[in-house]
Amino acid sequence: AQKITQTQPGMFVQEKEAVTLDCTYDTSDPSYGLFWYKQPSSGEMIFLIYQGSYDQQNATEGRYSLNFQKARKSANLVISASQLGDSAMYFCAMGAGTASKLTFGTGTRLQVTL
Amino acid sequence: NAGVTQTPKFQVLKTGQSMTLQCAQDMNHEYMSWYRQDPGMGLRLIHYSVGAGITDQGEVPNGYNVSRSTTEDFPLRLLSAAPSQTSVYFCASSGTGLSGYGYTFGSGTRLTVV
Repeated sequence: AQKITQTQPGMFVQEKEAVTLDCTYDTSDPSYGLFWYKQPSSGEMIFLIYQGSYDQQNATEGRYSLNFQKARKSANLVISASQLGDSAMYFCAMGAGTASKLTFGTGTRLQVTL
Repeated sequence: NAGVTQTPKFQVLKTGQSMTLQCAQDMNHEYMSWYRQDPGMGLRLIHYSVGAGITDQGEVPNGYNVSRSTTEDFPLRLLSAAPSQTSVYFCASSGTGLSGYGYTFGSGTRLTVV
């Protein structure tokens, strides 16, 4: 079975600062993928970034980067230069083996302040 | 390109009523799945399908029924609605390989059971 743990229910960050959202995972499957999604107040799930278990380099997508530490089973999301529009709920998720189903964490609510 | 289309967007049911949440995708994805999102619990898998005619249970399947007669459609049936099924429901589809952009969510259905 897979498990995702997000230990930060809420985070605050000042505009233009960087913030790290924590995610740890557990799986016995050697092939897996880690996802981060953003859910704004409007409710849709917006894909941010993906890291495969065999990828050698940390994934980056614009202001988003994934700090992947395989030995520690962590996949933290780093948002650089935070913007007010980054205020949202953020979910870490994992798929193992196939893409048929994902396991989600409980999420972190990020609030960006002036 | 519509992606994943869910209908309805909002629904209010009385306890004991039945209904079907519709989900359709136009990306020829093999995999489709249904999740529910409750406050503080992230998304939890209800049922999933790895192809037409093949379905399986997820983490929280009780009270729900699914079938997959075509690649495009994956309806979720509530047999006898209960207040505990008040939630936001997301349908998702994906190709067979693990990848970030390959996993697509619908916009969600907010269901209230009174």
